[in-house]
Amino acid sequence: GENVEQHPSTLSVQEGDSAVIKCTYSDSASNYFPWYKQELGKGPQLIIDIRSNVGEKKDQRIAVTLNKTAKHFSLHITETQPEDSAVYFCAASSGNQGGKLIFGQGTELSVKP
Amino acid sequence: DGGITQSPKYLFRKEGQNVTLSCEQNLNHDAMYWYRQDPGQGLRLIYYSQIVNDFQKGDIAEGYSVSREKKESFPLTVTSAQKNPTAFYLCASEIPGADTQYFGPGTRLTVL
Repeated sequence: GENVEQHPSTLSVQEGDSAVIKCTYSDSASNYFPWYKQELGKGPQLIIDIRSNVGEKKDQRIAVTLNKTAKHFSLHITETQPEDSAVYFCAASSGNQGGKLIFGQGTELSVKP
Repeated sequence: DGGITQSPKYLFRKEGQNVTLSCEQNLNHDAMYWYRQDPGQGLRLIYYSQIVNDFQKGDIAEGYSVSREKKESFPLTVTSAQKNPTAFYLCASEIPGADTQYFGPGTRLTVL
């Protein structure tokens, strides 16, 4: 069935370093890939997304890359800050059920001052 | 969290009781979703509705029920048939035709 694998499950970096989180998806019909940031006890917040007709998208310190051939996409955070510490989720749209998203298992990012 | 509200923030239930979680949005979104989140895990889809008076089961619908009588509201009932209901429940709504989902703040349900 449809599946999204996310790695790593935990990631610890020093403030100012870069962080990279990777996801792979199984449904070749997926065409929308959002990333969410979830702080403790709160709902996920959309931070960036990309569609299949684009290979890369940037928003200040955050970027997402997509390789449709390999069916993987990645989140890149540069110049990390302590407030970037949170759980990050990737997701991929379902090819046969409009609007449905398949989520990865999450990555707990810790940025040490 | 935008224009999506969930209530209550915390909910305690005794075994054998049904409870209803509220989700309201003022974003004029047609589609709404309910997810369940367990510690250290991703989001699993319970039910979703793409239009008023219509809804579909997600991956883990057993023990749950929903209604969609108004565009703004999509309440979720956790029934006594749900074997392990303690979890964090998240509601989302979607920009029409965009696949982009926005989440509410969540309700944490604990069975005593």
